[in-house]
Parts: sequence; structure tokens; C-alpha cells
Amino acid sequence: NAGVMQNPRHLVRRRGQEARLRCSPMKGHSHVYWYRQLPEEGLKFMVYLQKENIIDESGMPKERFSAEFPKEGPSILRIQQVVRGDSAAYFCASSPTRTPNEKLFFGSGTQLSVL
Amino acid sequence: AQSVSQHNHHVILSEAASLELGCNYSYGGTVNLFWYVQYPGQHLQLLLKYFSGDPLVKGIKGFEAEFIKSKFSFNLRKPSVQWSDTAEYFCAVTSYNQGGKLIFGQGTELSVKP
Repeated sequence: NAGVMQNPRHLVRRRGQEARLRCSPMKGHSHVYWYRQLPEEGLKFMVYLQKENIIDESGMPKERFSAEFPKEGPSILRIQQVVRGDSAAYFCASSPTRTPNEKLFFGSGTQLSVL
Repeated sequence: AQSVSQHNHHVILSEAASLELGCNYSYGGTVNLFWYVQYPGQHLQLLLKYFSGDPLVKGIKGFEAEFIKSKFSFNLRKPSVQWSDTAEYFCAVTSYNQGGKLIFGQGTELSVKP
């Protein structure tokens, strides 16, 4: 059973471009969480999705950021018109249920660098 | 709002030294507490967790943590560190109905000198 797969591992974008980060949850997991880690800071919750639904997006910036988790395929975190401040490591985690969360597993992250 | 504070940003120890990393959280209700470790270039791995019961929790690789409710603390300990423990350590908290929505501390980087 493969772990949580994130790709790409590293993504370089110029200011104003779009960034698409992918997260394939573990087999059997229908709950996906996205976190962002800015330099010198801890991970910050962004969004929680279940298949085809956004459950909690309280940590998402109001503009330029969106997330989806379609019925088929990976979860996508999309950042439009990237700015230098978007440079960070983006992690996703997946779980088979909402609670309890002993079975929450993290991916290796995508390091986004905005030039 | 919930918050987590890790007191030490960077800790440097020699092999065989004892380790204690501080973690305090702010939340008045029932909490679930976690310590995660991130080795260089790798994903976050769960070291240990506290949900209920015995406040002294034992995890993998010889780590343990003690939940002290009155102090809102969940400090991580290891009696004798190894060079391979060099990593970043994150404390996290969630309330029971928050599921995987974890609130993380800012992390503590541990460097163990051989």
C-alpha cells in the first residue's frame, strides 16, 4: 500500500504563473487535508476535503487559492498568479475517516519556489 | 482559538544526552495531542499520540511524552539520543471533533552530534 503521494516534489514558478500541486491519498482514504509550512514556521492548516466536497476551508487565503478532490483522481491545490510570499512547503495528509485520526498519514510535500 | 507553542527552536545535543522538548497548548476542552518527526527530506511521521487514559505515552524509537493537563503541556522526552534522531520535531493538537485539522507548533530542530 503506497503512502500519500505528492507531486511534484519541487515546483518553480515565476510571479504571475499558476501552480498546481497534486496529492494522491492512500488507498481507501477519502479524507484529505492540506497544510502549508512557511520558512521558520510550523505547518498551518489550509483546507479539508472529502471526495467532491470541501468540508473546511477556514485556513485558505481568500484569493488565488482553491482546492478540489474529485471523484476520480488526486486532490489538487491550485494557486493562481503566484507571488513570492507563496513560496513554501505544501503538505497533504489523508485519512480513512474524519475521526479518530490515528490513521492520518502525511505526504513528503511539494516545495514551491516563486522567482 | 487553539495554539501550540514549542519553546525551543533549535536544540543541539551530544549522543547519549537526554532530551526534553517543550510543548504547551492553549485550549480549554478535550484535546488530542501528537508529536511528529520529520527527518531531512522525508515526510512527517507520527512519533506518538495522546487521546485518553495514561498520561505517559510511549512512542516509537524510545520516545515518550507526558500529558500534564494542569500545565497544558505535552513534553517529549528521550533518555539517550542518537545521531539518527537528528530531525525536526513538531507538536500538534486537535480537539476531538476536528479530525485531521491539526494545529502545529513551529517545530524544534534537533541536531545530535556524534
